[in-house]
Amino acid sequence: GAVVSQHPSRVICKSGTSVKIECRSLDFQATTMFWYRQFPKQSLMLMATSNEGSKATYEQGVEKDKFLINHASLTLSTLTVTSAHPEDSSFYICSARDPVQISSYNSPLHFGNGTRLTVT
Amino acid sequence: LAKTTQPISMDSYEGQEVNITCSHNNIATNDYITWYQQFPSQGPRFIIQGYKTKVTNEVASLFIPADRKSSTLSLPRVSLSDTAVYYCLVGPADSGYALNFGKGTSLLVTP
Repeated sequence: GAVVSQHPSRVICKSGTSVKIECRSLDFQATTMFWYRQFPKQSLMLMATSNEGSKATYEQGVEKDKFLINHASLTLSTLTVTSAHPEDSSFYICSARDPVQISSYNSPLHFGNGTRLTVT
Repeated sequence: LAKTTQPISMDSYEGQEVNITCSHNNIATNDYITWYQQFPSQGPRFIIQGYKTKVTNEVASLFIPADRKSSTLSLPRVSLSDTAVYYCLVGPADSGYALNFGKGTSLLVTP
């Protein structure tokens, strides 16, 4: 089945620094990827939609200048948390659909294993 | 996107069948129903997806009535490792659409 891979799985950084999280679709090409954030004991919240070759679309309340998204190829999207602060500590998860599966009306979102960001 | 309502939590003993029902009264014609399982500190894992009637795979069954305003995930003979949060999501099966997660159902399986 389709696999989405994230790296790193966990990262600790100091307040004020930037952190880059990579999301790769391993066996399919994804023109669109989605980034979610999950705080402890809460559900996933959609942050933004990453579009290959164009600007990302951000959900209301998500700062586009703080959470930079780059989708430079059909298999890679990156999320950079700039000038991270402790309140940005969270679990970040990316996802994508396999376009081949879409054509067969069986196209679930496939999720990466997430990145645990801790800002000290 | 259609809003979903699930029980916040459920408890079960090992070996029992667990049925988790999700309400989605404003489901649209082109919406599919998808269920995910999430363990702590892991991304959600796809369980099953359906549009109408019944769908079965190697891990679960999904029952969808004719009006599609609800759905029931059935987990046969649960084990301790099925302890997780289960999410019901409703939306189009299209590459451009994300899915919005509700609060999910926290299932606890005990011996």
